Amino acid sequence: NAGVTQTPKFQVLKTGQSMTLQCAQDMNHNSMYWYRQDPGMGLRLIYYSASEGTTDKGEVPNGYNVSRLNKREFSLRLESAAPSQTSVYFCASSSRWTSGETPQETQYFGPGTRLLVL
Amino acid sequence: GESVGLHLPTLSVQEGDNSIINCAYSNSASDYFIWYKQESGKGPQFIIDIRSNMDKRQGQRVTVLLNKTVKHLSLQIAATQPGDSAVYFCGGYKLSFGAGTTVTVRA
Repeated sequence: NAGVTQTPKFQVLKTGQSMTLQCAQDMNHNSMYWYRQDPGMGLRLIYYSASEGTTDKGEVPNGYNVSRLNKREFSLRLESAAPSQTSVYFCASSSRWTSGETPQETQYFGPGTRLLVL
Repeated sequence: GESVGLHLPTLSVQEGDNSIINCAYSNSASDYFIWYKQESGKGPQFIIDIRSNMDKRQGQRVTVLLNKTVKHLSLQIAATQPGDSAVYFCGGYKLSFGAGTTVTVRA
């Protein structure tokens, strides 16, 4: 299994340009996530999708849109890129199951996409 | 937004010693906490998890402790090795993660 894959690995955009970050997982996971990571800020949740056909906002959704194309793929779109969106973007997937009375979950992360907006 | 992970930024440890990494959280509703490790230039990697109805869970060389009274998590690494040098985050389901603790192992 490849796990979680992301494309592209690197991207440079000019302010106002648009682009879509692609993410795919081959682990048959229900849930998928997009995070951004900035120096000193840790991982911040942008959007997540608990299952195919559903998406929800995370902590920092402004300036982004997502599409859960099917169970495998979850894309992140920047319609009009801004320098503040310069970051490393991580996609993750997970399956949630119940052991006893409490849900459990393990997330698997992709290698990241480094985005620079000039 | 709701978040997990108020960390001390750095920890320097002598090789072979035990490491303790601490984390505080603000979301009392989280039912599940996770520790991640991130090496330079790589994505985060799952280490160990703990359910909110547990106080302690042990893995291979790692132990996670949860104190719900003071909303505190800790990760203990036994016999720290050079390969343990990384940034460590604590997190939870559908939550953002804090800045993490950078662990440096001294030879």
